[in-house]
Amino acid sequence: SQQGEEDPQALSIQEGENATMNCSYKTSINNLQWYRQNSGRGLVHLILIRSNEREKHSGRLRVTLDTSKKSSSLLITASRAADTASYFCATDAYGNKLVFGAGTILRVKS
Amino acid sequence: GAVVSQHPSRVICKSGTSVKIECRSLDFQATTMFWYRQFPKKSLMLMATSNEGSKATYEQGVEKDKFLINHASLTLSTLTVTSAHPEDSSFYICSARAPGLGTDTQYFGPGTRLTVL
Repeated sequence: SQQGEEDPQALSIQEGENATMNCSYKTSINNLQWYRQNSGRGLVHLILIRSNEREKHSGRLRVTLDTSKKSSSLLITASRAADTASYFCATDAYGNKLVFGAGTILRVKS
Repeated sequence: GAVVSQHPSRVICKSGTSVKIECRSLDFQATTMFWYRQFPKKSLMLMATSNEGSKATYEQGVEKDKFLINHASLTLSTLTVTSAHPEDSSFYICSARAPGLGTDTQYFGPGTRLTVL
């Protein structure tokens, strides 16, 4: 069964605005990862945050992790039309397997 | 680096035939590869974990005789959908771990869209 739940399911914003996506999970994890998927394509790894980390940055991406609430958020700042894609969180619960959330469909309007 | 390819990218077949999908790690050795299935507008569901030189480990509810996985080398895993039916139509994605790169990251292939008529 899927572990991660994401919200919102869909998000539509204007170019230049920030986009925030949230992910919740149910069990203890080793790390949590965020991926992007363009329509009909494979997944692109965005960022990995370990269970002992609280925040991580990569370019315009900021990820937070709250293990007490079993939740994570992905913030994309100054969004661009090219950021339009589906975004998935995935948890690695010490079993070398990734469990994916339902995903958030982000649409950035230019 | 850490590129994973899949072949074919798209396949259409008749009901009852078998289809083989290849997953290759191009610039690293992958002792473990994973096969996922994704329905339209849905998330990825892990089907099986493929370890080089040993039998694949299937997730609950995945028929191992239906979805044959072979991981014959450190750079190649294959998924064969046997006696395919229209309900097997889906997007199949593989990934590979690159422990030699010192990360927990999985690198994903571009996916294979299977359509069974």
